[in-house]
Amino acid sequence: KAGVTQTPRYLIKTRGQQVTLSCSPISGHRSVSWYQQTPGQGLQFLFEYFSETQRNKGNFPGRFSGRQFSNSRSEMNVSTLELGDSALYLCASKYLGDHRTYGYTFGSGTRLTVV
Amino acid sequence: QQQVKQSPQSLIVQKGGISIINCAYENTAFDYFPWYQQFPGKGPALLIAIRPDVSEKKEGRFTISFNKSAKQFSLHIMDSQPGDSATYFCAVSMYSGGGADGLTFGKGTHLIIQP
Repeated sequence: KAGVTQTPRYLIKTRGQQVTLSCSPISGHRSVSWYQQTPGQGLQFLFEYFSETQRNKGNFPGRFSGRQFSNSRSEMNVSTLELGDSALYLCASKYLGDHRTYGYTFGSGTRLTVV
Repeated sequence: QQQVKQSPQSLIVQKGGISIINCAYENTAFDYFPWYQQFPGKGPALLIAIRPDVSEKKEGRFTISFNKSAKQFSLHIMDSQPGDSATYFCAVSMYSGGGADGLTFGKGTHLIIQP
């Protein structure tokens, strides 16, 4: 069974640009959430989607947005990139239902570098 | 405000020894306490998780001890092996019924098992 697939694996962007990251969840998983990982702040929750609707959002500025498609694939977008947005962006999926039973499965992430 | 505090930041243990990592949380509404293991270049992988209605859960060499009154939980790795060298994260979450509230992670513990 294929895992969570994130593309691209690495990305270099210039300050002020925007970027779109993609996540394909495990087949049958309908919930997708996004996390930012940095050495200073650790792992921080960005947002969670299921049924194409954002269900919860972390404490990030409006430059960070996302969406989910009918096939459960998800994208996140960061506009007007800042140097501080350099991070590993992780996507996690789970079977829709009580996460205490099913848990989250993470992808390997997209390493974004803003120069 | 840091909702979950993890210690130590780094830990060196001899092969065959016991590795112990601790986490403390504030919000008594949390009802799910997982531990994740992360190797360089990979996303976090669920290691073991516990709900607050039990005090201990064991899976192979990995054990979670949970102290509800103290609002603390810990990961014990018995017979630690060099392959266990990784970064370990505790996390907390609460199930809202309509969708999970995402995972709140500790800052991580960099574990090195010396041969």
